[in-house]
Amino acid sequence: QKEVEQDPGPLSVPEGAIVSLNCTYSNSAFQYFMWYRQYSRKGPELLMYTYSSGNKEDGRFTAQVDKSSKYISLFIRDSQPSDSATYICEMITIGVGSNYKLTFGKGTLLTVNP
Amino acid sequence: GAGVSQSPSNKVTEKGKDVELRCDPISGHTALYWYRQSLGQGLEFLIYFQGNSAPDKSGLPSDRFSAERTGGSVSTLTIQRTQQEDSAVYLCASTEGLAGVSEQFFGPGTRLTVL
Repeated sequence: QKEVEQDPGPLSVPEGAIVSLNCTYSNSAFQYFMWYRQYSRKGPELLMYTYSSGNKEDGRFTAQVDKSSKYISLFIRDSQPSDSATYICEMITIGVGSNYKLTFGKGTLLTVNP
Repeated sequence: GAGVSQSPSNKVTEKGKDVELRCDPISGHTALYWYRQSLGQGLEFLIYFQGNSAPDKSGLPSDRFSAERTGGSVSTLTIQRTQQEDSAVYLCASTEGLAGVSEQFFGPGTRLTVL
């Protein structure tokens, strides 16, 4: 079992729909959870990060973490064509001596149709 | 302000040739990462530099891959004797503070094609 699982999609939704993007993980040591958005032929850019179970909201985006179920989600409300991109989850552990381990999901390709 | 820049943006090479990919991080950022992104494979960590510490090379896939960071700034990723499976987008990212919890700023990547 991979440490982080993310459905690669593609996911296609109509404009205005609520989008749910998800990652599951097996390593209970993950402490930080991040979502990146990557437009075609661009580098990823950080959308949201959180370190505790619960919800974190930023505009139309909500990041949700459920540590007991080892499951994180990114919700996009009122989706727009400009949200069309690949969304990548990242999880981080911090070990002894500030040794960071970064693990990424494969990314989900989202298309929002006008 | 200026973000992370990478050059070249595209590189086509023949199997067996060496290539060098360059990354200019954001000025003052202490940590620098290299990743490889292949179609359908997601981001694969290659190597990371943090300040003056020895780099974490645990992600390099073979001894054909190496990287250096001169003066704590610019970094070069070198792939020797390239193979077709090396074809991918190579991304560089830098962070302001301690790696891992500071926001990573990614460059646009170098798209490498090995014929």
